[in-house]
Amino acid sequence: GAGVSQSPRYKVAKRGQDVALRCDPISGHVSLFWYQQALGQGPEFLTYFQNEAQLDKSGLPSDRFFAERPEGSVSTLKIQRTQQEDSAVYLCASSLDRTGGYGYTFGSGTRLTVV
Amino acid sequence: GQNIDQPTEMTATEGAIVQINCTYQTSGFNGLFWYQQHAGEAPTFLSYNVLDGLEEKGRFSSFLSRSKGYSYLLLKELQMKDSASYLCASSGAGSYQLTFGKGTKLSVIP
Repeated sequence: GAGVSQSPRYKVAKRGQDVALRCDPISGHVSLFWYQQALGQGPEFLTYFQNEAQLDKSGLPSDRFFAERPEGSVSTLKIQRTQQEDSAVYLCASSLDRTGGYGYTFGSGTRLTVV
Repeated sequence: GQNIDQPTEMTATEGAIVQINCTYQTSGFNGLFWYQQHAGEAPTFLSYNVLDGLEEKGRFSSFLSRSKGYSYLLLKELQMKDSASYLCASSGAGSYQLTFGKGTKLSVIP
């Protein structure tokens, strides 16, 4: 597609519920990143994929967070047993190569609210 | 890490010039990015500086001093649509991830 698409746009989850957030990157983009942006803060790195390989998951805040990109295109970020501190906007970005920020295209994000 | 510091909020008048400053830790630094983010929207790329000096791109310019760990974004001929959050972000040598500041919320008033 023309841009990075994320769904759902908004998600309200009850505490303890599992959620799955989807990212559809630009076709052909090798690199895919997930960032978490809390209200009034800058985005913080969660994890990085190069094609289907998850090369870095050092930013995932706990083992309740899990990300996959099984076929090297669409990615899913799953959060198990959601807690209130998980409330944030989850941004996905893709890049044609692994150079990082230069050429990142961000999606509009999924705003997760845990009640 | 590469702690990023930038002002929380700024206000400027339509048609004026505004400079948004950013400081970062120089250890392991590679390059400096500026992104614009309108409320509820995706960050969009504005500029990327690796070398010292000023990069000009239309109404927007970005400056970098590697030795001082300092950058600024200069916006000229401000328009109401420039009201947004401006994010400063650094990349480390050999690293693909970006470290973002908290963003500067710019309000342009008539």
